[in-house]
Amino acid sequence: NAGVTQTPKFQVLKTGQSMTLQCAQDMNHEYMSWYRQDPGMGLRLIHYSVGAGITDQGEVPNGYNVSRSTTEDFPLRLLSAAPSQTSVYFCASRTGSANYGYTFGSGTRLTVV
Amino acid sequence: GQQVMQIPQYQHVQEGEDFTTYCNSSTTLSNIQWYKQRPGGHPVFLIQLVKSGEVKKQKRLTFQFGEAKKNSSLHITATQTTDVGTYFCAGSNNDMRFGAGTRLTVKP
Repeated sequence: NAGVTQTPKFQVLKTGQSMTLQCAQDMNHEYMSWYRQDPGMGLRLIHYSVGAGITDQGEVPNGYNVSRSTTEDFPLRLLSAAPSQTSVYFCASRTGSANYGYTFGSGTRLTVV
Repeated sequence: GQQVMQIPQYQHVQEGEDFTTYCNSSTTLSNIQWYKQRPGGHPVFLIQLVKSGEVKKQKRLTFQFGEAKKNSSLHITATQTTDVGTYFCAGSNNDMRFGAGTRLTVKP
């Protein structure tokens, strides 16, 4: 049981490049979310999903796309990277049952130059 | 949209002192969760509060949910160096919105 697996752990992109951050969970969790963490700003919700085939925007969705074709995977796509997207990205998942919190992945540290 | 505000942003205490962080939401929440993030790590779920006025304890940690379900607090009694980290509250309606966190440092 690996929990939430994020790849890669580190990435450097040039402005304008695109890439996909991978997130997979093996706990059969319905809910999955992507957050970015910047110093002094906590965790900001980018996109989330309440089940396969269902996604919705969070607080800061611009410049990012997601899809949820399976329960296990929730990739985050950066369409055209910008320096403002330099951040640490966390993927998290939880069961749909009421009393459980999110399990977080170990994060992807992204630098856009 | 829903906003969750957390104070203070930083707190430095001497080991053995108490610590409290406060969380306020602009809207009524269906539940509130608390997480701890150690330096360089990822957030780890601590607890969820659901009921109005609910109080839960985990050893030296006491969590409260306000009567109006718009505020919450986390109190640590007699802090230890192992308590170091950033404590986040997160309010949930359908999505989960986090406060900015309170960073706790403890001087031995």
